[in-house]
Amino acid sequence: EDQVTQSPEALRLQEGESSSLNCSYTVSGLRGLFWYRQDPGKGPEFLFTLYSAGEEKEKERLKATLTKKESFLHITAPKPEDSATYLCAVQADSNDYKLSFGAGTTVTVRA
Amino acid sequence: KAGVTQTPRYLIKTRGQQVTLSCSPISGHRSVSWYQQTPGQGLQFLFEYFSETQRNKGNFPGRFSGRQFSNSRSEMNVSTLELGDSALYLCASSLEGTGETQYFGPGTRLLVL
Repeated sequence: EDQVTQSPEALRLQEGESSSLNCSYTVSGLRGLFWYRQDPGKGPEFLFTLYSAGEEKEKERLKATLTKKESFLHITAPKPEDSATYLCAVQADSNDYKLSFGAGTTVTVRA
Repeated sequence: KAGVTQTPRYLIKTRGQQVTLSCSPISGHRSVSWYQQTPGQGLQFLFEYFSETQRNKGNFPGRFSGRQFSNSRSEMNVSTLELGDSALYLCASSLEGTGETQYFGPGTRLLVL
């Protein structure tokens, strides 16, 4: 069965203090790895899709990278508005069409 | 382009009742998936529909069911509600469900008393 583990569970940062979130996964074959941001009481907001090892994607202060066993979400010089729960999900290379999610990392950025 | 919409946004029901939730996908998206999110279990897959056919179902009891219409809109139904069914129910749509990005709606918050 697909497994997705995110660490740390929670991260408290000072504004401007860069850090990284980890997502390790075990799937029979990776079709895609997805990063979402979720604010309290809202639906997940799409950030990045990664398909193959070595791939990197950037958006503003966020950068996602992918290896064969894990993905990292780097937050550079975070601002308070980056406070959210960041979710990692994988879709396996099989005919099951579902996303398997990690438990998420809750990031709090203090001004 | 309009995003995924879900109705209603909030629901309060009592044990034993049934509930129907609705989801309208992004225009052109034919795959619709449903997820349940709770503080203890996180996001769990319920089922996925494509062209009015259920292609996969998660590990939930038969009280949870769904369907998809010819315009790709989808509904999910929960019968004989239990207290543990209180959760945020999320709908996501994608073009065909085969590895491309799934976009989520705002969710329906269900409270069972």
